[in-house]
Amino acid sequence: SAVISQKPSRDICQRGTSLTIQCQVDSQVTMMFWYRQQPGQSLTLIATANQGSEATYESGFVIDKFPISRPNLTFSTLTVSNMSPEDSSIYLCSVLLGNTEAFFGQGTRLTVV
Amino acid sequence: AQSVAQPEDQVNVAEGNPLTVKCTYSVSGNPYLFWYVQYPNRGLQFLLKYITGDNLVKGSYGFEAEFNKSQTSFHLKKPSALVSDSALYFCAVIYYGNNRLAFGKGNQVVVIP
Repeated sequence: SAVISQKPSRDICQRGTSLTIQCQVDSQVTMMFWYRQQPGQSLTLIATANQGSEATYESGFVIDKFPISRPNLTFSTLTVSNMSPEDSSIYLCSVLLGNTEAFFGQGTRLTVV
Repeated sequence: AQSVAQPEDQVNVAEGNPLTVKCTYSVSGNPYLFWYVQYPNRGLQFLLKYITGDNLVKGSYGFEAEFNKSQTSFHLKKPSALVSDSALYFCAVIYYGNNRLAFGKGNQVVVIP
């Protein structure tokens, strides 16, 4: 199994600012992902965080808006840039072990005002 | 493209009655299927998975699910629902060769005392 710690757990931010969310895993993992869960909706994959290379973004998500770092196999950050109220969501970090076991952080509840 | 569908928005059931949450998947290779539960203000918790083998899989908290290839379904079941089972339930799929989880829209389960 894997234990994932996300920080912050929640934040209220002004529009136009940026927030960086941290994800720390208690073991080395290859596959790490960032998801967004908008209010009342399902989880949408933002990107795959690749160690040592640029993240792989899903359709509709771009690096300028959601820059991701992955300096090593236990840590990643997601930045939500130039925020607007539409970015208000829960952002979740996830890891995949053995290609069949996915674990999730507690999530970061972001409110943009 | 890989996807799962959860046709219902909300499932209401009386405490002690059987609970079923429906999930169907689109066919593209051999699916790995999962159920997750999300309690209010908490992260996603893994319930069970189907990878291969016995079509009936048993998971946490008394839940089980049956993989039905002919109907492309993976419905979640519990013989006797508890009020504490009230939560948001997500079906998800990974297809072999693709490491990304695709989630259904989620079903709100309400167990009525």
